[in-house]
Amino acid sequence: QVLLVQSGPEVKRPGASVKISCTTSGYRFVDYMIHWVRQAPGQGLEWLGMINPGVPRGDSAQRFEERLIITGDTSNTVYMELTSLRSDDTATYYCARDLSYMTAGFWGQGTLVTVSS
Amino acid sequence: QFALTQPPSVSEAPGQTVTISCSGATSNPGEKFVSWYQHFPGGTPKLLIHRDNEWPSGVSRRFSGSKSGTSASLAIRDLRPDDEATYYCAAWDASVRALVFGGGTKLTVL
Repeated sequence: QVLLVQSGPEVKRPGASVKISCTTSGYRFVDYMIHWVRQAPGQGLEWLGMINPGVPRGDSAQRFEERLIITGDTSNTVYMELTSLRSDDTATYYCARDLSYMTAGFWGQGTLVTVSS
Repeated sequence: QFALTQPPSVSEAPGQTVTISCSGATSNPGEKFVSWYQHFPGGTPKLLIHRDNEWPSGVSRRFSGSKSGTSASLAIRDLRPDDEATYYCAAWDASVRALVFGGGTKLTVL
């Protein structure tokens, strides 16, 4: 059974950073891409980036290139760190594993990040 | 990167069939496979269709995907009240290495 379990909710000040974990189980970790997707209140789904767990660092969507760091480790866990947080980064952040090529077939439960002064 | 355009909302009566469009996807099936997701408020998105028209394990056959030209569609037949959700299409843009989501379509079952 494929499972993705994310870390808990976070409250951050503007300008701070947040790091969310996504711990996977039930499959061979290095065989599938992991994506990060977010949904801000009242908005749609937005893709942030992805990682091939077999390499140290992932790729980010262009608009997040300077603020987003996606990494993985040997404990079947992927991390997403977003820096220089703004109020419009307030959102639920999801990790998701590929089912077929670049298709998010298995999702974590989501992590609410609130950015507020 | 390319954009995927969906109608903001659709509505239909229970028992009927509704179709949600997603325009902008290429007509080359090998280049941009389209996937579809169902998302309930407060829930986790669920993959309904991948590779344009394939079902992941456990997904009801009431949901079906198709593609024609530069548009893709999700059809939901035999509508039920608990189908009320927001539906998103998505496709991989290899030119910028990004997964692009449509804006989402909110389905109301009247």
